[in-house]
Amino acid sequence: DQQVKQNSPSLSVQEGRISILNCDYTNSMFDYFLWYKKYPAEGPTFLISISSIKDKNEDGRFTVFLNKSAKHLSLHIVPSQPGDSAVYFCAASAITRDNYGQNFVFGPGTRLSVLP
Amino acid sequence: NAGVMQNPRHLVRRRGQEARLRCSPMKGHSHVYWYRQLPEEGLKFMVYLQKENIIDESGMPKERFSAEFPKEGPSILRIQQVVRGDSAAYFCASSKRAANTGELFFGEGSRLTVL
Repeated sequence: DQQVKQNSPSLSVQEGRISILNCDYTNSMFDYFLWYKKYPAEGPTFLISISSIKDKNEDGRFTVFLNKSAKHLSLHIVPSQPGDSAVYFCAASAITRDNYGQNFVFGPGTRLSVLP
Repeated sequence: NAGVMQNPRHLVRRRGQEARLRCSPMKGHSHVYWYRQLPEEGLKFMVYLQKENIIDESGMPKERFSAEFPKEGPSILRIQQVVRGDSAAYFCASSKRAANTGELFFGEGSRLTVL
């Protein structure tokens, strides 16, 4: 049962245009959402996050939008650059049942290719 | 380097041997997570530990896999009697317990190859 879904395994975008990566989740207990970027043979690196009490967070070229009613979030990259080519993972976080810590569930990832 | 340190980066084992993967969290972080990435797949949660405690092991296979995070020293993910299907990249991540930030910091991963 996939709690976090990224339905597009891959996406190709021309350099300079907007990249939009989508993510859907099923668990209404998630209260924090994150995007990670991963290059081959490296560990994922944190990109941007958003709390469930917000609907938008922006950091430079990266903006994350959250639609709680639709249980949907998206990452916008504009303008896209060839160096953005990587796998992007959406993750959702919730406090554990005993209220002691946080657990993180990752989607399967979307491979973004930015073409020069 | 104050980041999450994993070793070994690459490990080759024959079927039936044991694999031990180590993870030292970032300084000040007391929560450790292990994820597995099979070839061409996403990150699958395995286990979440705090010092001397397993918080959530719902993603761990029931047999052959175990994890610990002792009071002193790194977290260890142990795989006994490895099989070819265990070949994967194993990522460790750490965090502070901060209920409203939720940021995980990942290591570079340990790549296990079972011959």
